[in-house]
Amino acid sequence: DSGVTQTPKHLITATGQRVTLRCSPRSGDLSVYWYQQSLDQGLQFLIQYYNGEERAKGNILERFSAQQFPDLHSELNLSSLELGDSALYFCASSVLGQGRETQYFGPGTRLLVL
Amino acid sequence: AQSVAQPEDQVNVAEGNPLTVKCTYSVSGNPYLFWYVQYPNRGLQFLLKYITGDNLVKGSYGFEAEFNKSQTSFHLKKPSALVSDSALYFCAVRDNSGYSTLTFGKGTMLLVSP
Repeated sequence: DSGVTQTPKHLITATGQRVTLRCSPRSGDLSVYWYQQSLDQGLQFLIQYYNGEERAKGNILERFSAQQFPDLHSELNLSSLELGDSALYFCASSVLGQGRETQYFGPGTRLLVL
Repeated sequence: AQSVAQPEDQVNVAEGNPLTVKCTYSVSGNPYLFWYVQYPNRGLQFLLKYITGDNLVKGSYGFEAEFNKSQTSFHLKKPSALVSDSALYFCAVRDNSGYSTLTFGKGTMLLVSP
């Protein structure tokens, strides 16, 4: 158990809908990362937050947004969902968000868009 | 731009034999290199990392990896494979400038036969 928690574990929804994925980092970690894992794209970095502020942005669609709250938990919002958004979404955390730090991953949220 | 190549989609090895999972990288500056393992329906688990110093890095579950700067490689090795090592293995790289993001390879499925 990495200490990173994600809810829900599974999510089934329809095209056009909006969902929110939640992540709680390990105790003491200030930085949170979001990744998308799909069969065709592999594991793709979406976005990073550090202590409530956006730190880095990757291949995140404009329909997707995220935030990190004062208690350091983070939410990833996916809107106007398309079939291609079906994937496994991971959250990871590290202490300060620096390059040499290990990122610890949560168990993921499996999203199925029908 | 940084990148990681895992040239083998799948590696097959018999239990008790040594295993190698290959990884090469491209990055400007000095790299931080990581190996993660993913078991079915689970999140990524950290195995080991190279930051600086000794080129041979030892990690969890008896795994080790050798950093070779001239060949830009970071192959994962284990002297004696176990059936329980069967999983998906990911190599990842960050450069040491500022707050670069973690780039993952496509993953290599390791199958250890009894």
